[in-house]
Amino acid sequence: EAGVAQSPRYKIIEKRQSVAFWCNPISGHATLYWYQQILGQGPKLLIQFQNNGVVDDSQLPKDRFSAERLKGVDSTLKIQPAKLEDSAVYLCASTKGAQGGAGYTFGSGTRLTVV
Amino acid sequence: AQSVTQPDIHITVSEGASLELRCNYSYGATPYLFWYVQSPGQGLQLLLKYFSGDTLVQGIKGFEAEFKRSQSSFNLRKPSVHWSDAAEYFCAVGASSGNTPLVFGKGTRLSVIA
Repeated sequence: EAGVAQSPRYKIIEKRQSVAFWCNPISGHATLYWYQQILGQGPKLLIQFQNNGVVDDSQLPKDRFSAERLKGVDSTLKIQPAKLEDSAVYLCASTKGAQGGAGYTFGSGTRLTVV
Repeated sequence: AQSVTQPDIHITVSEGASLELRCNYSYGATPYLFWYVQSPGQGLQLLLKYFSGDTLVQGIKGFEAEFKRSQSSFNLRKPSVHWSDAAEYFCAVGASSGNTPLVFGKGTRLSVIA
C-alpha cells in the first residue's frame, strides 16, 4: 500500500510570511495527526483529526497555526505569520482506527526553515 | 497524562557491540509502547510495539525490547550493532483505551564507530 505522502519536502521562508503543508494519509485511515519536531527533540502533537473532525488541538498555537481535513482525507497545515521558532520538521501520520495507540504510519515530513 | 523519558541523549557504540537504549514511561493504566527509528531526513519507522502478552517483543532489523511494569521501562536492545543502525531512536507511549495520541520521548542519537 502507498504510504503517507507529504509535500513539500523542504521549505524556506522569511519570518512573518505564510506557509502551507499538505498531507495525504494512507487510504482508509480515519485518524490523521500533525506533529512538530524541533531539532534535537521528539515529535510533539499539534492536532489530531478523526475523519474530518478535530479530536485534539490543545497544543496547536491557534493564533498562527490552522489545520483542516476536508472530506476526511487530505489535510493541510498552515502557519501565518511564521516565526523563527517555527523552524522544525512537520510530520504527518495516520492510523486506521480511532484508537491512537494502534501505531502510526508516518510520512517523510516537511522541513521548514524560517529565516 | 502520559510521558516518556529517554535518559541518554547520545550513545556511541562500536560496530558488533551490543546495544541497550533506555526508556521510562509514566502512564496510569496499561500502556501501549513503541520504539521508532529515524534516519537523517526521513520520517519515523516503527521498530516494534508492545500491547500485551509476552513482555519481550521482537521487532525488525534484529531489535527487541522488554516491558518491565515494575520499573515502568521499555528498553530497546540489539545484540550486535551494524553501522547502518546509526540513527535517532524514539520511544513512545500510547493509551490502551480511548483516543489519546502517542507521546514521544526526546530521542537517543546512536553513533556507531568502526
